[in-house]
Amino acid sequence: DAKTTQPNSMESNEEEPVHLPCNHSTISGTDYIHWYRQLPSQGPEYVIHGLTSNVNNRMASLAIAEDRKSSTLILHRATLRDAAVYYCIPDWLIFGQGTELSVKP
Amino acid sequence: GAGVSQSPSNKVTEKGKDVELRCDPISGHTALYWYRQRLGQGLEFLIYFQGNSAPDKSGLPSDRFSAERTGESVSTLTIQRTQQEDSAVYLCASSFGGQGYEQYFGPGTRLTVT
Repeated sequence: DAKTTQPNSMESNEEEPVHLPCNHSTISGTDYIHWYRQLPSQGPEYVIHGLTSNVNNRMASLAIAEDRKSSTLILHRATLRDAAVYYCIPDWLIFGQGTELSVKP
Repeated sequence: GAGVSQSPSNKVTEKGKDVELRCDPISGHTALYWYRQRLGQGLEFLIYFQGNSAPDKSGLPSDRFSAERTGESVSTLTIQRTQQEDSAVYLCASSFGGQGYEQYFGPGTRLTVT
C-alpha cells in the first residue's frame, strides 16, 4: 500500500491560490493519483486525477512530481465554498485522513 | 440525472441487532463501493463490486459484515449483531469502472448503535 502524507490542516485567504501537498513515496508505477474533497456533512466529491502529467480541469490543477512521489493540488482562487477536507489517494480505495482546508474571508 | 441514493439516511439500533443499509447506484455504473467513516476520521474501504466479478471484500472488518449486489444495480450492506464501534456514517459510491474512474458518492447512512 502506498504511504500517504498530507498536512492535517491548512488555512487560506479567499481569492488567493492554495497549494495542497501530498507525499506518496511508495506509489506503484501504475496507480493513478486521485483527489477528492468532502464538504461538511456531505459525501466526498471527485476533484481531479492524473497518472504522470499535470492535469487541469474546471475545479483545480494537479501537479505531479516527475518521480511521482509527490503531488500538489492547486486551487487557483479559493472561495469560502472550497472549505473542506481534501483527500489525496495514490493507493486506490485508501482515503487516509486528508487535509482540512479553511478559507478566511 | 439521479445520483447515488442511500437509505435510510439515519438508523438507530440497539446493540446486538442486525441492520441492512441500501445503496442505489447511478444507472449504468458497473462498479460499486462501500466505505465507513467514523466521526472525525477519514474513509475506510469496506467492499468493492465490479460487474460480475467476485467482489473485493478485503476491507470488511469482521465476519459480521457482508454485502450483496444484484447484477449492476442495488447493493445491500448487512451488519449482524451490531456493536457500538459500528456507529459511523456508511457511504456508498459508484463509477463506470475501476481505478481511474470518478467515484460518485451518496449522502451516506448515519448508523448509531446504542
